[in-house]
Amino acid sequence: QKEVEQNSGPLSVPEGAIASLNCTYSDRGSQSFFWYRQYSGKSPELIMSIYSNGDKEDGRFTAQLNKASQYVSLLIRDSQPSDSATYLCAVNGNTGKLIFGQGTTLQVKP
Amino acid sequence: DVKVTQSSRYLVKRTGEKVFLECVQDMDHENMFWYRQDPGLGLRLIYFSYDVKMKEKGDIPEGYSVSREKKERFSLILESASTNQTSMYLCASTPDGNSPLHFGNGTRLTVT
Repeated sequence: QKEVEQNSGPLSVPEGAIASLNCTYSDRGSQSFFWYRQYSGKSPELIMSIYSNGDKEDGRFTAQLNKASQYVSLLIRDSQPSDSATYLCAVNGNTGKLIFGQGTTLQVKP
Repeated sequence: DVKVTQSSRYLVKRTGEKVFLECVQDMDHENMFWYRQDPGLGLRLIYFSYDVKMKEKGDIPEGYSVSREKKERFSLILESASTNQTSMYLCASTPDGNSPLHFGNGTRLTVT
């Protein structure tokens, strides 16, 4: 089992819809969870951090964390074509290093 | 804002050359990392460092070495470049193990 798992996609949603990206992790001791957005040919850009159970909202983005079920998700409301990118889930492992998922490719169609 | 600067955006080298990739961060971060990213393989950790003159192997250290003589600078060295080291190389830094990584813009290295 991979330490951090994401569906590679592509996830295709129409413009204006809600995109839901999911991530599961294996280390129950993980404390920090991050979502990065990566455009093709560019480096990852941090868009959300979440440290405690529940929801955290920032503009059109909402991160949701459920430590009991070991999953973290990212919701993007009112999806725009400019949101088309690969979204990386990252979780801090038991060695203090961040463990990255393989990423989910999101396509927002006009 | 944290700034992580990688010295080259694109680099073309020949097989067998010694290659230096430089990374500098301006936020006094303790921890620095080097990753490579290839299609379908995701981000793979090459080496990391938690302090000056300290280095730890990541998941794929073979063929690479690193140097951290100053806190702000972390260099990745390809001792003898090979074509299978053609990749996007990403440097990142963070103040501690619970904080997010801040990435540089990446270096697209091609070895011919």
